[in-house]
Amino acid sequence: AQSVTQPDIHITVSEGASLELRCNYSYGATPYLFWYVQSPGQGLQLLLKYFSGDTLVQGIKGFEAEFKRSQSSFNLRKPSVHWSDAAEYFCAVASDTGRRALTFGSGTRLQVQP
Amino acid sequence: NAGVTQTPKFQVLKTGQSMTLQCAQDMNHNSMYWYRQDPGMGLRLIYYSASEGTTDKGEVPNGYNVSRLNKREFSLRLESAAPSQTSVYFCASSEQENTEAFFGQGTRLTVV
Repeated sequence: AQSVTQPDIHITVSEGASLELRCNYSYGATPYLFWYVQSPGQGLQLLLKYFSGDTLVQGIKGFEAEFKRSQSSFNLRKPSVHWSDAAEYFCAVASDTGRRALTFGSGTRLQVQP
Repeated sequence: NAGVTQTPKFQVLKTGQSMTLQCAQDMNHNSMYWYRQDPGMGLRLIYYSASEGTTDKGEVPNGYNVSRLNKREFSLRLESAAPSQTSVYFCASSEQENTEAFFGQGTRLTVV
């Protein structure tokens, strides 16, 4: 079965600084990969997804992520963080066989300092 | 455009009580899901329905039952609530199983 690891529970960055959130997955074949964001008291919103093709994917709100098969990683990046980016971020993976529902990581909480 | 609608938004139950969480989607999606979210554990899949007429267990199905009432609606039932079921419950839907999932706003359930 697939699994997802987000090694950083909590990250603090200064407004305007760059951001990278780590995500490692475990899955034998090519996975379908997702990043979601959750603001306090809200549901989850999709930032971006990777199914195939170009390994660098662009998402909403200026986020991007790069799929690296050799490292089993799908890290989320943003060049310049805004205070409104403070939220919890979840990486998720889905397979194309068996149970194909999304499996989520434990999340990374982002705090943005002024 | 409502998307995924969950009711209720908040609920407090006593141990042993039963309740049903309701979920409806208006996007004509085939697949629907119930997840629970607990601090430090991300979202864990309780049950899912790949298509109308089918339901399957996820990672943490014990203590729960589901019904895919029709293509739009997917309910989650707690027959005898336990404090360990205190959590935030999210319903989601997607066009197919492994495509982008759209989430409801969640139900915060407390079992005392």
